[in-house]
Amino acid sequence: QKEVEQNSGPLSVPEGAIASLNCTYSDRGSQSFFWYRQYSGKSPELIMFIYSNGDKEDGRFTAQLNKASQYVSLLIRDSQPSDSATYLCAVNRGSSASKIIFGSGTRLSIRP
Amino acid sequence: DTGVSQDPRHKITKRGQNVTFRCDPISEHNRLYWYRQTLGQGPEFLTYFQNEAQLEKSRLLSDRFSAERPKGSFSTLEIQRTEQGDSAMYLCASSPGTGELYGYTFGSGTRLTVV
Repeated sequence: QKEVEQNSGPLSVPEGAIASLNCTYSDRGSQSFFWYRQYSGKSPELIMFIYSNGDKEDGRFTAQLNKASQYVSLLIRDSQPSDSATYLCAVNRGSSASKIIFGSGTRLSIRP
Repeated sequence: DTGVSQDPRHKITKRGQNVTFRCDPISEHNRLYWYRQTLGQGPEFLTYFQNEAQLEKSRLLSDRFSAERPKGSFSTLEIQRTEQGDSAMYLCASSPGTGELYGYTFGSGTRLTVV
């Protein structure tokens, strides 16, 4: 079992709709959860982090965390073509909290 | 200081040659991380430093890989006797001491192609 699992996609969403990206993790001791956006050929860019159960909103982005289910999600409202990218879910490891482990990413495509 | 700087951006080398990459972190960040990313995969952890001390190395980091961070400033990652399987994007990231809580800032990466 991978430590961080994501559906590789591609996920195709019409412009203006809500894109929903999901992630599960295996280490119950993980404390912090991250979403990075990565455009093709570029390096990852941190867009959100969350460490409490529930929702955290930042502009068009909402991160959701359910520690009991070991589930993290990212919602992107009013999706724009510029949101087309790979979204990487990442968690810190509870047993060795000094580094972040990444999933393999979900490719999101926003169609005009 | 505007961010994490990596050099070179691209490197093409012949199999068996040695290569060295450099990373300059954000100046006030005491933690520095190296990751490797291949096509279609997320970044894989290689190693990290707190100041000049190398505190953890992944099993992915074979004997051909070595990393240093003299004086706790810039870091170098050297790969000896390169193999085609070493072809990847090598990413450097830095953070303050709480990076595992609030996330890292990545550099632009060095893309290595071994031919």
